[in-house]
Amino acid sequence: GAVVSQHPSWVICKSGTSVKIECRSLDFQATTMFWYRQFPKQSLMLMATSNEGSKATYEQGVEKDKFLINHASLTLSTLTVTSAHPEDSSFYICSARKQEGSYYEQYFGPGTRLTVT
Amino acid sequence: GQNIDQPTEMTATEGAIVQINCTYQTSGFNGLFWYQQHAGEAPTFLSYNVLDGLEEKGRFSSFLSRSKGYSYLLLKELQMKDSASYLCAVTDSNYQLIWGAGTKLIIKP
Repeated sequence: GAVVSQHPSWVICKSGTSVKIECRSLDFQATTMFWYRQFPKQSLMLMATSNEGSKATYEQGVEKDKFLINHASLTLSTLTVTSAHPEDSSFYICSARKQEGSYYEQYFGPGTRLTVT
Repeated sequence: GQNIDQPTEMTATEGAIVQINCTYQTSGFNGLFWYQQHAGEAPTFLSYNVLDGLEEKGRFSSFLSRSKGYSYLLLKELQMKDSASYLCAVTDSNYQLIWGAGTKLIIKP
């Protein structure tokens, strides 16, 4: 298998502040990482695809100026939620793509629970 | 458009067998994944199918029919810890994962 870590695992911040979440692939290099958010009792919603050394590709309806993604190295991608509001409170999960033989598998981080007060 | 359908919720009894179905319509196909997700946790990998047929892994088996756009996850000898959401996801022609909404499985004693 492969290990992906996320930091922090949970964070509480005040409305209007910014929060940075880190996603690291610990034992492999990942040219592609994904950021998801998940609301209670709902499935994963892809926010953006993060490619090392290039701009992230955002899904329709996701504000790129609000959710800043930086994939500066093959083992680290960061998501910064800028000017956070209570409606941004959610479970944010990253995954890193790794080729396993003839297919690509996504390995997930443990997630970050963000609460904006 | 791209679409993956699976039941919203299922209930089964401890020790029994349950089958969770998934149908898909995607632009291209490069494999189908099943993930398990416990509440408040990230998904964990269960199985991968790219060829037609049944893949067995312990108590869990996954089946794929590409011509029918259909897969199922079979869980045997159910245990209480199997209570979770089960997510079906298909890799399309761009190797992008398309996710189903998940099936919440409730196990009763």
